[in-house]
Amino acid sequence: ELKVEQNPLFLSMQEEKNYTIYCNYSTTSDRLYWYRQDPGKSLESLFVLLSNGAVKQEGRLMASLDTKARLSTLHITAAVHDLSATYFCAGTSYNNNDMRFGAGTRLTVKP
Amino acid sequence: GAGVSQSPRYKVAKRGQDVALRCDPISGHVSLFWYQQALGQGPEFLTYFQNEAQLDKSGLPSDRFFAERPEGSVSTLKIQRTQQEDSAVYLCASSLDRTTEAFFGQGTRLTVV
Repeated sequence: ELKVEQNPLFLSMQEEKNYTIYCNYSTTSDRLYWYRQDPGKSLESLFVLLSNGAVKQEGRLMASLDTKARLSTLHITAAVHDLSATYFCAGTSYNNNDMRFGAGTRLTVKP
Repeated sequence: GAGVSQSPRYKVAKRGQDVALRCDPISGHVSLFWYQQALGQGPEFLTYFQNEAQLDKSGLPSDRFFAERPEGSVSTLKIQRTQQEDSAVYLCASSLDRTTEAFFGQGTRLTVV
């Protein structure tokens, strides 16, 4: 069974600084997802990473995937308050169809 | 509809009561997932459908949990004889197929008292 671990679990950021969230997974995963969740809300899809070396960027967020290291990162550039939320990574394994989620990183941006 | 729709949004059940949670996926989406999310935790997989076929139910925590998708569109998650530990948000997600991103509904917050 695919295990997904994120760190840090909590991240307090200063505005305009850069930070990285790490997502490690235990077995071969053919897809890696990043989601955002605001308090009391559902999950919003941010990125889908399909292959080794994949890099995707949207605004101040950039996600990358290293399948050999079984690692994905979510890099935040010049953090702003409206990025405050919980970020989840999730992976799927070749033999299964379900997404397995990490515990989430609760991110707070302070002025 | 434009997105995944779940109903009800909130449900309070007395312990021992049966509940049914509904999910309307995005039209045409083959894959449908159910997840359970406890407060402050990540979503935990419950079950997966491909059209009407339930291909994976390994995450259902007990035989009190049952899910169906009889016509390959709307799905219902049923919980029998609810217990306090069943209190959580139940999320439904759908995707076009297994290679594309999944879109989540707003969830049903179940509170068992």
